[in-house]
Amino acid sequence: QVQLVQSGAEVKRPGASVKVSCKVSGYTLTELSMHWVRQAPGKGLEWMGGFDPENGETIYAQKFQGRVTMTEDYSTDTAYMELSSLRSEDTAVYFCATVGREMATLTPHPWPFDYWGQGTLVTVSS
Amino acid sequence: SYELTQPPSVSVSPGQTARITCSGDALPKQYAYWYQQKPGQAPVLVIYKDIERPSGIPERFSGSSSGTTVTLTISGVQAEDEADYYCQSADSSGTYVFGTGSKVTVL
Repeated sequence: QVQLVQSGAEVKRPGASVKVSCKVSGYTLTELSMHWVRQAPGKGLEWMGGFDPENGETIYAQKFQGRVTMTEDYSTDTAYMELSSLRSEDTAVYFCATVGREMATLTPHPWPFDYWGQGTLVTVSS
Repeated sequence: SYELTQPPSVSVSPGQTARITCSGDALPKQYAYWYQQKPGQAPVLVIYKDIERPSGIPERFSGSSSGTTVTLTISGVQAEDEADYYCQSADSSGTYVFGTGSKVTVL
């Protein structure tokens, strides 16, 4: 059973950066393909990017390329998502999400996300 | 990237059947997944590989696929099924996309 616990809410000024963490337990981070999804208030889900095990690289949604960096610290089993040059439209709940070992055997890659963090609210306001 | 289009809202009476469609050009080539999201909560996977149900998901949730459209069906809708529902798929490069989302209201 995977558990994903995210860092707390953040308030940032426009132009600043934010770094959200996602601590993994129950698995090691090396076993997982971590992704990040965000949801603006009252809006839908938006995939930001994640690790593609088929090419061993992190891929980013075109919308966020150049502004987002996703990293992983395997010593602490913690994944990070850093978003820079923040603007008011980046106000959203940010989720980390991944696929568990069992689901990854039931369906081919690209896998769905059957484990999610609790979400981190990032507010961008002057 | 491509788009997945869903109806914004679906209304249904308790015990009736709700059907939520998701349309996208890549759906004949890639599997679709469905998520349920209740207010203030993270999404929950309810259907994977177009038609399969994860363990722990009630049997009243089912999926189907035909051409460029996939459908989530909730049979015998219960009050607790009131939520937002999102389809998801990916292209061959591993880029994911979510549908526009559908709010299911139980009358």
